[in-house]
Amino acid sequence: ETGVTQSPTHLIKTRGQQVTLRCSSQSGHNTVSWYQQALGQGPQFIFQYYREEENGRGNFPPRFSGLQFPNYSSELNVNALELDDSALYLCASSQGQAGGYVKNIQYFGAGTRLSVL
Amino acid sequence: AQSVTQPDIHITVSEGASLELRCNYSYGATPYLFWYVQSPGQGLQLLLKYFSGDTLVQGIKGFEAEFKRSQSSFNLRKPSVHWSDAAEYFCAVGAHFGAGNMLTFGGGTRLMVKP
Repeated sequence: ETGVTQSPTHLIKTRGQQVTLRCSSQSGHNTVSWYQQALGQGPQFIFQYYREEENGRGNFPPRFSGLQFPNYSSELNVNALELDDSALYLCASSQGQAGGYVKNIQYFGAGTRLSVL
Repeated sequence: AQSVTQPDIHITVSEGASLELRCNYSYGATPYLFWYVQSPGQGLQLLLKYFSGDTLVQGIKGFEAEFKRSQSSFNLRKPSVHWSDAAEYFCAVGAHFGAGNMLTFGGGTRLMVKP
């Protein structure tokens, strides 16, 4: 058990709808990263939040957005859902610091399985 | 940009046999390397990590990995596989990113264990 919890576990949406996924980070961690894992593939980095600010993002369109709250929990929002958004969405928390503390470890939650019909 | 290649999509071994899963990475600086395991329907569990120092690192569940800079490899090994090791294994490289690092994963290797 990593202490990173995600909700909901499963979600079914239709094309064009919007979805919000939630993540509670491990105690003591201030950084949350989100990853998308399509079926049969490795996870792909979406973006990272550090102390309530987006720290950078991967190659995902703006309809993927997020938030981080003062308690360091986080949300991933996806607008205008497309069929290709069907995937396992993984949240990972870690202890980061300004200026780049690279030797940190990301601990993953169990993920939210999103199906877009 | 960094990348990770796991050449073997599927591997089947007999229980009790030894295991080696291959991982090759591409990264311009000193890499931070990780192996994660994913059981069906689950998230990722960290098996082991390499940051610096001894190139042979020990992890949980009896796994070890060896960093070879000259070959850009970080292969995962286990001397005797147990049926419970059946899962998908992901190698990842951590690139300096903002306040921490961004993980780039390989495509994974699915391990099946024969009784």
